[in-house]
Amino acid sequence: QSALTQPPSVSGSPGQSVTFSCTGTSSDVGSYNRVSWYRQPPGTAPKLMIYEVSNRPSGVPDRFSGSKSGKTASLTISGLQAEDEADYYCSSYSSSNTWVFGGGTRLTVL
Amino acid sequence: EVQLVESGGGLVQPGRSLRLSCAVSGFTFDDYGMHWVRQVPGKGLEWVSGISWNSGSIGYADSVKGRFIISRDNAKNSLYLQMSSLRPEDTALYYCAKDRGRYYGSGIGDWGQGTLVTVSS
Repeated sequence: QSALTQPPSVSGSPGQSVTFSCTGTSSDVGSYNRVSWYRQPPGTAPKLMIYEVSNRPSGVPDRFSGSKSGKTASLTISGLQAEDEADYYCSSYSSSNTWVFGGGTRLTVL
Repeated sequence: EVQLVESGGGLVQPGRSLRLSCAVSGFTFDDYGMHWVRQVPGKGLEWVSGISWNSGSIGYADSVKGRFIISRDNAKNSLYLQMSSLRPEDTALYYCAKDRGRYYGSGIGDWGQGTLVTVSS
């Protein structure tokens, strides 16, 4: 049950696009399309932004999109806004009937 | 509106036990799988345990297997986490979370606000 690998930080200017990566193994990201992304501003609970690799829950802007290639999933935010500044976590279902999270990526909006 | 309210956290000595509860409302509890996820303040999220709608499927992280027990009471709309043989490394904010499906394999859709557990002598 090793954590998924995410870069510690990403930054971008308002209006730009940023992409977060999430790398797993053949036991999790590589085998299942059950990858989710969560946003967590400081001091708050996480919020679901993407589920099943690329699906947006109702209420999440279409600026948020997800994809997957092999063992790496990605989250892209286009048209970056100041309110997007937060920690972003990926998670994946695993073959051991468990879930695993990434270490999180802090987004800084310059 | 989905509401998940955790309780039962606090300060506990190493080796002792603690039981967390999560009271839910705003959805049909016995239609959904549930999770516990923890987060050391300032650190990342760690999945702890999951349980299906009928308690027929349960899973644990290796870090808590054999020490923690997840359970649910559908009649009381409540989820529980019995924690035993607690260690200082179990200190964290514990979140109750609702899965998107009947088992705990669809992914977390909603989160509570968390209850803080501190393991220290």
